[in-house]
Amino acid sequence: EAEVAQSPRYKITEKSQAVAFWCDPISGHATLYWYRQILGQGPELLVQFQDESVVDDSQLPKDRFSAERLKGVDSTLKIQPAELGDSAMYLCASSLNIAGQGHYEQYFGPGTRLTVT
Amino acid sequence: KNQVEQSPQSLIILEGKNCTLQCNYTVSPFSNLRWYKQDTGRGPVSLTIMTFSENTKSNGRYTATLDADTKQSSLHITASQLSDSASYICVVSEKTGGFKTIFGAGTRLFVKA
Repeated sequence: EAEVAQSPRYKITEKSQAVAFWCDPISGHATLYWYRQILGQGPELLVQFQDESVVDDSQLPKDRFSAERLKGVDSTLKIQPAELGDSAMYLCASSLNIAGQGHYEQYFGPGTRLTVT
Repeated sequence: KNQVEQSPQSLIILEGKNCTLQCNYTVSPFSNLRWYKQDTGRGPVSLTIMTFSENTKSNGRYTATLDADTKQSSLHITASQLSDSASYICVVSEKTGGFKTIFGAGTRLFVKA
């Protein structure tokens, strides 16, 4: 069964350093999402791509966070510089965006657990 | 503001017992509601998805109900197993152009032997 791949699974970094996460969605899925999940809370959308275009980045802290999906397939989320409050699980999800249908089932990857010290 | 509220925040039950988790939402216009199971340290996995016209949906020992009039949903787990210990997240999608999704904070379920 196809899965969303993420790497690394765990990352420990010092504050003020740069960190990057990678996501490979399920083949053929046009929509890709990056979420941040703080322990004990639900995921919070950071950015949503439709193919290579950003369709929603309203909750992305753009002074330090950036995301790209250059060829409309895999994606990278970067934080520079990292802050202590960025410690969280970063989840990537993808969906098969079928026009006219509302069943945008999202399939999640295993996540990257980031700890900023 | 569109919101999804889940209760209880956490729950402890004995193995073999049943339990029901609640989800209330204010999302409008409504598109669909999904329940996810998230094991510790893993990504969420979909359990059920329901549209406006669906009242109930089952997936093995998991049964979800939806009352679109009162904007309430529940997830009933029958004959709980130790492996049911996880967070259960209610997710509601808006019926806008991008079908924006709103996540609840989840209910943390602990099943004890």
